[in-house]
Amino acid sequence: DGGITQSPKYLFRKEGQNVTLSCEQNLNHDAMYWYRQDPGQGLRLIYYSQIVNDFQKGDIAEGYSVSREKKESFPLTVTSAQKNPTAFYLCASMLGWGGSYNEQFFGPGTRLTVL
Amino acid sequence: SQQGEEDPQALSIQEGENATMNCSYKTSINNLQWYRQNSGRGLVHLILIRSNEREKHSGRLRVTLDTSKKSSSLLITASRAADTASYFCATDADNNNDMRFGAGTRLTVKP
Repeated sequence: DGGITQSPKYLFRKEGQNVTLSCEQNLNHDAMYWYRQDPGQGLRLIYYSQIVNDFQKGDIAEGYSVSREKKESFPLTVTSAQKNPTAFYLCASMLGWGGSYNEQFFGPGTRLTVL
Repeated sequence: SQQGEEDPQALSIQEGENATMNCSYKTSINNLQWYRQNSGRGLVHLILIRSNEREKHSGRLRVTLDTSKKSSSLLITASRAADTASYFCATDADNNNDMRFGAGTRLTVKP
């Protein structure tokens, strides 16, 4: 089955720890995105990547880091510098830009809780 | 910053009624999309309308776009309890390579 997966579904972190959220897609999409969603709120863009080995900061990149070593994978690390990391994290991918390639496909999300 | 803003924040209707949600945005766009999110899940794409289109239909969904007013509306006709979800609009500005989502409208359809 083609799709986008995120793991784990639930993640608990102690204060001061770094944690990494996984996002994998087998859709052969060029672009990948990370969003944060707080309860009752919309999505805020953390980082995005349009091509391997390149990524751009979104609106709330502070305290987060990413890598894009493979087209299929775009892991997000929540560092100890992120002061309020408890949230629902969504990863998405998109085929490319222009034409009709603007639909984003979302993973099921990872719920991160800081203990 | 969020590009789109949905209105109303919450909407509660009876099954069979129509539901209308609105979205306003601030800058010029290439296209506008509507997504649906069931509680605790990822978003699912519903429909895309391009900046040179004014209206689009997909099943029970009707989307309009008014670029002069920088606004869009999503109409769900003959609503069902299964339509209960949050609905978001998203835009990609024509000078940016990313997408921005609004805060969403929480729709409740009562059986």
